[in-house]
Amino acid sequence: DAKTTQPTSMDCAEGRAANLPCNHSTISGNEYVYWYRQIHSQGPQYIIHGLKNNETNEMASLIITEDRKSSTLILPHATLRDTAVYYCIVRVDNAGNMLTFGGGTRLMVKP
Amino acid sequence: GAVVSQHPSRVICKSGTSVKIECRSLDFQATTMFWYRQFPKQSLMLMATSNEGSKATYEQGVEKDKFLINHASLTLSTLTVTSAHPEDSSFYICSASTGYGYGYTFGSGTRLTVV
Repeated sequence: DAKTTQPTSMDCAEGRAANLPCNHSTISGNEYVYWYRQIHSQGPQYIIHGLKNNETNEMASLIITEDRKSSTLILPHATLRDTAVYYCIVRVDNAGNMLTFGGGTRLMVKP
Repeated sequence: GAVVSQHPSRVICKSGTSVKIECRSLDFQATTMFWYRQFPKQSLMLMATSNEGSKATYEQGVEKDKFLINHASLTLSTLTVTSAHPEDSSFYICSASTGYGYGYTFGSGTRLTVV
């Protein structure tokens, strides 16, 4: 799986949009971009994933650049409960293929 | 949605004893489950891949005789930490694929403390 690069930490004001970047310049054509988050002392939670089109669900939006070398996860109205470590992972969408976690971005939402 | 149940959530054991952690897929069948370990302030590290009906595949540096994995059914995988030592104290997390293109669903994790 391709490696990803994320900022170590970010702050965001409550109620504002949180934009979390991820670089994956060596991504292959069949690799998806996945985002998970891990709230302290819990298992990771799936957020969203995409191949090349932008995606949106009830939790977040995923913006993937046209060359697919980077992406941004957007939490439109961050709340204190969104404080977590956010992991960007690229992988082939295969049920037998494990997830490889990098360092992630520690997002702190402040009142 | 797909749910993975992991038990116990927290366990304290004496050094030298064994501890079993269960991971169940509640509403789907999981032919493959994964076991991760996470030390404080570090990322998740894959320990092993558990396949139903066959031997687990362990990552380099993970002792297969110490971390016994059994995946006897499509909904249950167990991790047994044998002869636990304080350095085995960690957060253990399992995950399973739903096969629906949503990546993986994770259990809530087990905090193991060996005293």
